[in-house]
Amino acid sequence: IAGITQAPTSQILAAGRRMTLRCTQDMRHNAMYWYRQDLGLGLRLIHYSNTAGTTGKGEVPDGYSVSRANTDDFPLTLASAVPSQTSVYFCASSPGLEGTGELFFGEGSRLTVL
Amino acid sequence: GQNIDQPTEMTATEGAIVQINCTYQTSGFNGLFWYQQHAGEAPTFLSYNVLDGLEEKGRFSSFLSRSKGYSYLLLKELQMKDSASYLCAVKDSNYQLIWGAGTKLIIKP
Repeated sequence: IAGITQAPTSQILAAGRRMTLRCTQDMRHNAMYWYRQDLGLGLRLIHYSNTAGTTGKGEVPDGYSVSRANTDDFPLTLASAVPSQTSVYFCASSPGLEGTGELFFGEGSRLTVL
Repeated sequence: GQNIDQPTEMTATEGAIVQINCTYQTSGFNGLFWYQQHAGEAPTFLSYNVLDGLEEKGRFSSFLSRSKGYSYLLLKELQMKDSASYLCAVKDSNYQLIWGAGTKLIIKP
């Protein structure tokens, strides 16, 4: 049972470079999310998708873009990385918005921008 | 603005009971969640409350008072493996989760 798979698990990146974090789920969940987690702060939503073909901006979307071409994949792209984007990134999915809406998280991608 | 408050860190003894509090101010309310996160790992779901009262699940219980904007997570018979961060999150009127910064729980022998 894979659940949610993120890649890479860790990456060091030079400022100004483009980077795509991959996220794939095999649970056929409608909703998917990208969060960043920084020390002392709660999880902050970057972008989300309620269903394939639609995306929305979260709390901290600047400098990031997403796409949702199909149900399973939800990549996050940093067009030109900056040091403030150093963080741990979590992809998550849930069956839908309503109800318990329990989130299932990937293992995280630790990104360092130098 | 929307806000979730929980203590930054708590310490408890193995075998004891600990209560982690969470207060919230959000635009709308569609449920409150508790997640557990071990260091270096992903958060995992613990509990969900949408109605007032206590939800019990084994050694863990979660309580909600919507009128007070308050919840707590109660952990009984603490084990060393319970050392982790505990995240409180509220689903707002747009069905988006607002997260607290988490409470780091340290268990001592």
